[in-house]
Amino acid sequence: GNSVTQMEGPVTLSEEAFLTINCTYTATGYPSLFWYVQYPGEGLQLLLKATKADDKGSNKGFEATYRKETTSFHLEKGSVQVSDSAVYFCALTHQGAQKLVFGQGTRLTINP
Amino acid sequence: DSGVTQTPKHLITATGQRVTLRCSPRSGDLSVYWYQQSLDQGLQFLIQYYNGEERAKGNILERFSAQQFPDLHSELNLSSLELGDSALYFCASSPGGRLAGGGETQYFGPGTRLLVL
Repeated sequence: GNSVTQMEGPVTLSEEAFLTINCTYTATGYPSLFWYVQYPGEGLQLLLKATKADDKGSNKGFEATYRKETTSFHLEKGSVQVSDSAVYFCALTHQGAQKLVFGQGTRLTINP
Repeated sequence: DSGVTQTPKHLITATGQRVTLRCSPRSGDLSVYWYQQSLDQGLQFLIQYYNGEERAKGNILERFSAQQFPDLHSELNLSSLELGDSALYFCASSPGGRLAGGGETQYFGPGTRLLVL
């Protein structure tokens, strides 16, 4: 079946550090890929998405590129801020279906 | 603010009881989804409704049921509650029913935190 695997957390970085959170997926065909963020005490918010191979999603300084050859959608940010502290979820929807399949989430803490 | 509302925010109840969680989707959205977030299972899809009809079913227990009403709000009913049902329950909505592809953004509500004692 379809699945998403994220790098183990938690991740702790200093402000202005470079961030990478790895995400790989297993799916047949051409899934759409998403990164959602959950701030403390809140629901999930879409951070970015990509719907076909080689697409790059970007938002608020975060980027991720849909790589079909490596079945990956790694999240990157060049310089993190304390306000980026949250839990990040990689997810996919498979062709013909709209349900989101989530990875286990990665808790990110940024220290000043 | 996503535009999706969920009530109540918190719910504390006892084993064996029944509760109803309510969700109002964003204005104009026809699809509603329910997800469960727990420490051991992570975020799991439960069920989707589109314009009043069940569209997809995930790992939803038989003790759980849902429906979407003509005004498009949805309710998730959880019965014969067990300790393991304690979780955060999210509702999400999206504009609606593309049959091919899945690139629609889903907008999540703030969740209902259920504690079964």
